Amino acid sequence: DIQMTQSPSTLSASVGDRVTITCRASQSIDTWLAWYQQKPGKAPKLLICKASSLESGVPSRFSGSGSGTEFTLTISSLQPDDFATYYCQQYNTYSSLTFGGGTKVEIK
Amino acid sequence: EVQLVESGGGLVQPGGSLRLSCAASGFTVSSNYMTWVRQAPGKGLEWVSIIYSGGSTYYADSVKGRFTISRDNSKNTLYLQMNSLRAEDTAVYYCARLRLRAGLDYWGQGTLVTVSS
Repeated sequence: DIQMTQSPSTLSASVGDRVTITCRASQSIDTWLAWYQQKPGKAPKLLICKASSLESGVPSRFSGSGSGTEFTLTISSLQPDDFATYYCQQYNTYSSLTFGGGTKVEIK
Repeated sequence: EVQLVESGGGLVQPGGSLRLSCAASGFTVSSNYMTWVRQAPGKGLEWVSIIYSGGSTYYADSVKGRFTISRDNSKNTLYLQMNSLRAEDTAVYYCARLRLRAGLDYWGQGTLVTVSS
């Protein structure tokens, strides 16, 4: 199975900061990677698919990049609504989808 | 409007069984790949199972042999039959639709399963 490793696990930042979260796959997944945002008590929300394609309605301050085994999610200017937990997920293999461990973005 | 509504969660003793349901509207379950994802209290997301539109099913190693994913086309509903439940199965269980080449684009609100004596 493909393992997904996210870093950092927790990130403290201020409104307006540029934030970067990293996700590494244990083997190449091309660009079959999604990013999700989850707020407490809510279901995850799909932000980015295919490593860099923004879902409709997602603010342009979110961006994704990478291919193969190294991926990043960047928030260009952190807003109050962005404090949440972010997860990456590989879907290179539909029969065994895997998530990263999550990155909690906290207020500094 | 696409909507997924889970039900069937609750408190069950170790070794017991439970069946979760996920009623879909706004799209056809049998024409899509559908998944179950769970989240233990205070923990991250864990993929549990998937059923392809063609009917093939796959499971995480942690639930293989104990859980069964299925669907009822007439009711447009997805199910997860959970047997031989363990304390470590305690989690909020979400159903979600997999949009091919994209990811899990629609999620239910989740249903809590607590395994405890």
